[in-house]
Amino acid sequence: EDQVTQSPEALRLQEGESSSLNCSYTVSGLRGLFWYRQDPGKGPEFLFTLYSAGEEKEKERLKATLTKKESFLHITAPKPEDSATYLCARGIREKLTFGTGTRLTIIP
Amino acid sequence: GAVVSQHPSWVICKSGTSVKIECRSLDFQATTMFWYRQFPKQSLMLMATSNEGSKATYEQGVEKDKFLINHASLTLSTLTVTSAHPEDSSFYICSAKARDIVSNQPQHFGDGTRLSIL
Repeated sequence: EDQVTQSPEALRLQEGESSSLNCSYTVSGLRGLFWYRQDPGKGPEFLFTLYSAGEEKEKERLKATLTKKESFLHITAPKPEDSATYLCARGIREKLTFGTGTRLTIIP
Repeated sequence: GAVVSQHPSWVICKSGTSVKIECRSLDFQATTMFWYRQFPKQSLMLMATSNEGSKATYEQGVEKDKFLINHASLTLSTLTVTSAHPEDSSFYICSAKARDIVSNQPQHFGDGTRLSIL
């Protein structure tokens, strides 16, 4: 059974304090690893897709990386507006299996 | 680009009534649309996948007679929760995916519908 595990479950950082979120998956044969941001009461907002080990993508203060068994979302010098739940999802064919997310809080 | 609109955003209704939720892709044609359910502090659970002009494919454990899905056009899918009961209260989110011209197109999500059954 596909499993996607995210850690930590919650993370509180001071503004400007960089850190990384982890997403690991148990099924081989990756067909895309997706990162989304979800604000309270809203639907997920697409951030990145990664396809192969070694791939990296960046957007503003966020950088996503991928290995054979896990992905990291690195947040550099975060700001309060980066506070959200970050979800990763594994793609197989057209379906997505989501992790439970990391709730990130950036304290001013 | 890739905007998905979901309506209504919030519904409160009495037990036993049916509720229809609409999901529209505003600036692209969505060959496939998905319906998810999310409980508080939990992740998204896929309920069903619908392709334009064909019957929806439901995930294991999802009652197809309770959750009716129609995908009549390339820009509109609807979810009808029939004879809703309090246990159906949840946050329902749709997503849409464009035709895979480039492989593994991402799903783009609507802002969800908060359904509360009294």
